[in-house]
Amino acid sequence: EVQLVESGGGLVQPGRSLRLSCAASGFNFDDYALHWVRQAPGKGLEWVSGISWNSVNTAYADSVKGRFTISRDNAKQFLYLQMDSLRAEDTAFYYCAKDRAHYYGSGSYSSTWGQGTLVTVSS
Amino acid sequence: DIQMTQSPSSLSASVGDRVTITCRASQSISTYLNWYQQKPGKAPKLLIYAASNLQSGVPSRFSGSGSGTDFILTISSLQPEDFASYYCQQSYTTPLFTFGPGTKVEIK
Repeated sequence: EVQLVESGGGLVQPGRSLRLSCAASGFNFDDYALHWVRQAPGKGLEWVSGISWNSVNTAYADSVKGRFTISRDNAKQFLYLQMDSLRAEDTAFYYCAKDRAHYYGSGSYSSTWGQGTLVTVSS
Repeated sequence: DIQMTQSPSSLSASVGDRVTITCRASQSISTYLNWYQQKPGKAPKLLIYAASNLQSGVPSRFSGSGSGTDFILTISSLQPEDFASYYCQQSYTTPLFTFGPGTKVEIK
């Protein structure tokens, strides 16, 4: 079964850091680009970041650029999101999602998503 | 950046109704448009990719159409399990996964 499982969420103070993990199974992990997408409670979906199969290409939403870093470990089949200088507006459920191809780009879509992990930024 | 809008933001419908949801892009995105369904407390589920292609396992009552800037998701006969929120998403350009604001389909 193709599966993505996020972890690492929790309550964190503004300005602090947190690292999310996403464990993959059931598919050839290093064949696919991956993404992080978030959703503030009761709000819509927001794409956060993407990474190509070989980590050469990464992209970020303007709202997190310079504060968040996406990475992956193909040997361990893990995707990560390092979140620094967290703000209250980063409070959301964070989902990892598998792209349809090696590289993200025109025509990307995600048929596999994790269940999400909640990050709450509050003092 | 490409902006996505959806209409309506919510609708009430009955089982068996035909439902249409519209998504509009601020500039042409060819057919690089996907549709997702999301139920409360659950991850999004891919329904349609590339504007009109039905994802494997998705019931045929769901269909998508459009190109350029205007797109439509149609549910031909609404079923109880279809009450959910629906999001369009463009994958034409970075930021790649720009989503629309969503449409909530509720029971009348």
